[in-house]
Amino acid sequence: GAGVSQTPSNKVTEKGKYVELRCDPISGHTALYWYRQSLGQGPEFLIYFQGTGAADDSGLPNDRFFAVRPEGSVSTLKIQRTERGDSAVYLCASSLWHGGGNEQFFGPGTRLTVL
Amino acid sequence: DAKTTQPPSMDCAEGRAANLPCNHSTISGNEYVYWYRQIHSQGPQYIIHGLKNNETNEMASLIITEDRKSSTLILPHATLRDTAVYYCIVRVGAGGTSYGKLTFGQGTILTVHP
Repeated sequence: GAGVSQTPSNKVTEKGKYVELRCDPISGHTALYWYRQSLGQGPEFLIYFQGTGAADDSGLPNDRFFAVRPEGSVSTLKIQRTERGDSAVYLCASSLWHGGGNEQFFGPGTRLTVL
Repeated sequence: DAKTTQPPSMDCAEGRAANLPCNHSTISGNEYVYWYRQIHSQGPQYIIHGLKNNETNEMASLIITEDRKSSTLILPHATLRDTAVYYCIVRVGAGGTSYGKLTFGQGTILTVHP
């Protein structure tokens, strides 16, 4: 079946602009996660949803970052007033449920470059 | 989540077993040990996870010590395509706060050579 998909695969923007990154989870998966990966580092947790609600947003770096999942399926990560330091690969993952025995399946990521 | 310690890099000859160690001395009773790997320019790929018992699947085996303070991921017959960064992660199970997220460290860069 289809895996986690993310669009766009690459996004180049200018400092100060607004961007939206989209994630389509595996059908039937109730939990959805966002991570960010800078060059040479492991992925860093941002936020995760169980259903429509954000269960843990402790990894969002500041209030320029916001994510939604209005119908419990597709999610959008929104970044306002982008800065050069936001440049990274943004990874999305989904799992059947958010419990500890459930594996997370990752998408290919969106590479964001802020000029 | 408990912290994990892995060697930064390892080498392995193609066809031989790759044994990747991980220390997690502060692991709690309700925390799972997960292994993921990341091949260059791809998203992380789930390999295996366990709580107390050793586990095996089509990709690998996971050996967890009796005191649960360390574990070893075994790739029985490494191929060139197994070259990747391997992450050992301790993840809270039921009942903990923030038990959905994965906390990645630096991982081990495994290089399989001909």
